[in-house]
Amino acid sequence: EAGVTQFPSHSVIEKGQTVTLRCDPISGHDNLYWYRRVMGKEIKFLLHFVKESKQDESGMPNNRFLAERTGGTYSTLKVQPAELEDSGVYFCASSPTNTGELFFGEGSRLTVL
Amino acid sequence: DQQVKQNSPSLSVQEGRISILNCDYTNSMFDYFLWYKKYPAEGPTFLISISSIKDKNEDGRFTVFLNKSAKHLSLHIVPSQPGDSAVYFCAASEIGNFNKFYFGSGTKLNVKP
Repeated sequence: EAGVTQFPSHSVIEKGQTVTLRCDPISGHDNLYWYRRVMGKEIKFLLHFVKESKQDESGMPNNRFLAERTGGTYSTLKVQPAELEDSGVYFCASSPTNTGELFFGEGSRLTVL
Repeated sequence: DQQVKQNSPSLSVQEGRISILNCDYTNSMFDYFLWYKKYPAEGPTFLISISSIKDKNEDGRFTVFLNKSAKHLSLHIVPSQPGDSAVYFCAASEIGNFNKFYFGSGTKLNVKP
């Protein structure tokens, strides 16, 4: 069974540009999460989908970030326009139910110059 | 404000000895705790968990201890092996809410052969 996959693994963009990160959760997992780790600090919650619905987006930093999960399958996280402080590793995770265990992808490293 | 803290950024231990990783939290509503292990260029993987009704949970070489009054938990690895070298993250969630996990900043464990 395939795990959580994320694309791209690394993206380097200039300030003001747009980047879209993609996450494919484990098949059958209704819950999908986005987290971010900045500069070796803690891993911070961004938002949580249940199927295609946003359950909790309290961790989204500002309106430059837009997450979608059309059809309840894969999800995208768009940053527009990107700022220097957006640099970090964006992790996607999924879980089948509220089991308390998250399955993480390898992360997408974003570098904003 | 960071609600889960791992105050030791790194720890070095000799193979065969015990590794003790510590985690403190501030939110008294947290009642479910997990440890994740992360290798370079990989996503975090679940290691072990404990709910607040217990003070100890053991799984092979890994044991997690919870001290609710002190708002402190620790992960013991005995005996430590070189393959245990990784970054370990402590995470917590509030009562009945697995939607949102709060992570610490991680402790990098180096087990020397």
